[in-house]
Amino acid sequence: AQTVTQSQPEMSVQEAETVTLSCTYDTSENNYYLFWYKQPPSRQMILVIRQEAYKQQNATENRFSVNFQKAAKSFSLKISDSQLGDTAMYFCAFMKPLPMNRDDKIIFGKGTRLHILP
Amino acid sequence: DGGITQSPKYLFRKEGQNVTLSCEQNLNHDAMYWYRQDPGQGLRLIYYSQIVNDFQKGDIAEGYSVSREKKESFPLTVTSAQKNPTAFYLCASSIGGFGELFFGEGSRLTVL
Repeated sequence: AQTVTQSQPEMSVQEAETVTLSCTYDTSENNYYLFWYKQPPSRQMILVIRQEAYKQQNATENRFSVNFQKAAKSFSLKISDSQLGDTAMYFCAFMKPLPMNRDDKIIFGKGTRLHILP
Repeated sequence: DGGITQSPKYLFRKEGQNVTLSCEQNLNHDAMYWYRQDPGQGLRLIYYSQIVNDFQKGDIAEGYSVSREKKESFPLTVTSAQKNPTAFYLCASSIGGFGELFFGEGSRLTVL
């Protein structure tokens, strides 16, 4: 069974600094997707970035980028030039590609609470 | 605008009462899900439905029930059998089964 581990329950950084959130996962699959979701204090969860395992190039979305190390099963999220609006809970998630079996699910980590300090 | 609407945002219930949380989506997504979120626990899957009139139990289905009579709607009933129902509940949908998830704003249930 797949597992996702986020080893940092909580982090704080100063505004404008760069911060890296860690995520490791365990799977025997060769092809899969990885996601980072953001849940701000307003509570609506939104997708930050996604990575396909078959792509070697790391995904980037503006100030957000990932460091995907497939052999090490590591998928960290880097936030550059952090802003107050980045304060949120961040969840790492794993998914097998479609079509999936009936019992396949998206697996979420337990989350990292990130505080951006003024 | 397309999206997922959960209601109510806040709900209080007395012990022993059933309560139903609403989830409606106008994204034309086939799949819908219910997650429970507790501090330090991440998201745990309660039920999911990949197609109308079909649904499957997730990791923590005991004490919950769902229905999927329409593509747009996936209500969750928290029954009196759920031993610890106070939590934050998130509904989500995706185009296909377990594709990228789109979430609602959540419903906070408090049992008094």
